[in-house]
Amino acid sequence: GIQVEQSPPDLILQEGANSTLRCNFSDSVNNLQWFHQNPWGQLINLFYIPSGTKQNGRLSATTVATERYSLLYISSSQTTDSGVYFCAVSSGTYKYIFGTGTRLKVLA
Amino acid sequence: EPEVTQTPSHQVTQMGQEVILRCVPISNHLYFYWYRQILGQKVEFLVSFYNNEISEKSEIFDDQFSVERPDGSNFTLKIRSTKLEDSAMYFCASARGGGTEAFFGQGTRLTVV
Repeated sequence: GIQVEQSPPDLILQEGANSTLRCNFSDSVNNLQWFHQNPWGQLINLFYIPSGTKQNGRLSATTVATERYSLLYISSSQTTDSGVYFCAVSSGTYKYIFGTGTRLKVLA
Repeated sequence: EPEVTQTPSHQVTQMGQEVILRCVPISNHLYFYWYRQILGQKVEFLVSFYNNEISEKSEIFDDQFSVERPDGSNFTLKIRSTKLEDSAMYFCASARGGGTEAFFGQGTRLTVV
């Protein structure tokens, strides 16, 4: 089955810093989503981005489907950005396969 | 904004007991899913459900698990005889179409003691 790898596994930032999170996948995909899991365990939809670039406030994402990767950019990070960021992809079947996540901690 | 809701938010159960986790998907969605996340690990697919039947299931989804859409609005996951290793966060999700954007509920944290 499809493999989804995320990097880095852990990231510590000072408030105000920028960061780039990466998601690599082993096969072509039809769909890709980015999620933020907050400290209470909730999965928050960030982007639905099977291809192209989207922006939402301080966050933006780019998926290059032909090269099998997606990037999530966080600018001017805030302490509330802390948590785990997951990339999830689906291919052919309708289930999403999740990556292992990037654990982000933003320090005040 | 429509959302997927799950109840209860936390459930503690004795090993061997049956539990039912409940979900109300977004009303015009047709595809429904259950996922689970063992503490500190990644989110794993359990089962997908469409047109009143299971469309796909993982190897985790064995005979002790079942799903049902009893009344056109609720979507339930039943675990017949819970084991310690069933302790996890269980997420329900729904999507308008197959493979389209999926929306997740806030999760049910199941603790088996």
